[in-house]
Amino acid sequence: GAVVSQHPSWVICKSGTSVKIECRSLDFQATTMFWYRQFPKQSLMLMATSNEGSKATYEQGVEKDKFLINHASLTLSTLTVTSAHPEDSSFYICSPRRADTQYFGPGTRLTVL
Amino acid sequence: AQTVTQSQPEMSVQEAETVTLSCTYDTSENNYYLFWYKQPPSRQMILVIRQEAYKQQNATENRFSVNFQKAAKSFSLKISDSQLGDTAMYFCASTPLNFGNEKLTFGTGTRLTIIP
Repeated sequence: GAVVSQHPSWVICKSGTSVKIECRSLDFQATTMFWYRQFPKQSLMLMATSNEGSKATYEQGVEKDKFLINHASLTLSTLTVTSAHPEDSSFYICSPRRADTQYFGPGTRLTVL
Repeated sequence: AQTVTQSQPEMSVQEAETVTLSCTYDTSENNYYLFWYKQPPSRQMILVIRQEAYKQQNATENRFSVNFQKAAKSFSLKISDSQLGDTAMYFCASTPLNFGNEKLTFGTGTRLTIIP
């Protein structure tokens, strides 16, 4: 089966710093990458969609200058939370898609102090 | 645009019993996929079952089956012989059949607890 990794799985940072989350599809090439965030006891909220080599398309209300997405290759995408604040504390999930199947990474728990 | 509604925030059932989770949706698409995802305490999203809207036959995967009523835009999940490992959040989702960059639309989820 398809394997998706996310790193780190858990990160704690100070307010004002930047955090980079890495997502890799280990045994397949993803045509499209989706990034979600999930607050406790809530559903997944789509942040942005990206294709390899193209700029990401952000959902309404998501600041593109704050959440930088780089889709460097068909197997690697990164999400950088810049100048993080406590309200950015959440669970971030990457979701690569190949053909008609969408997979999910194990998620990254971000805590901003 | 698509919307997915799950009207049961929480459910609980005794182990070995059968439970049905409800989901309704709305879409302007003629062809689309419907999904049920499971999110256990580990928070890893796991695909439970998938239904192509053009198929009349209800999808089944071992103990999991769906009741797909296209005219009513209803897509319920039945879990038979429930097990403790079925305890999780369950999300119903839909997307147009032409996947492309189309996003998955998720419902708000149902928290299912299997009681020993």
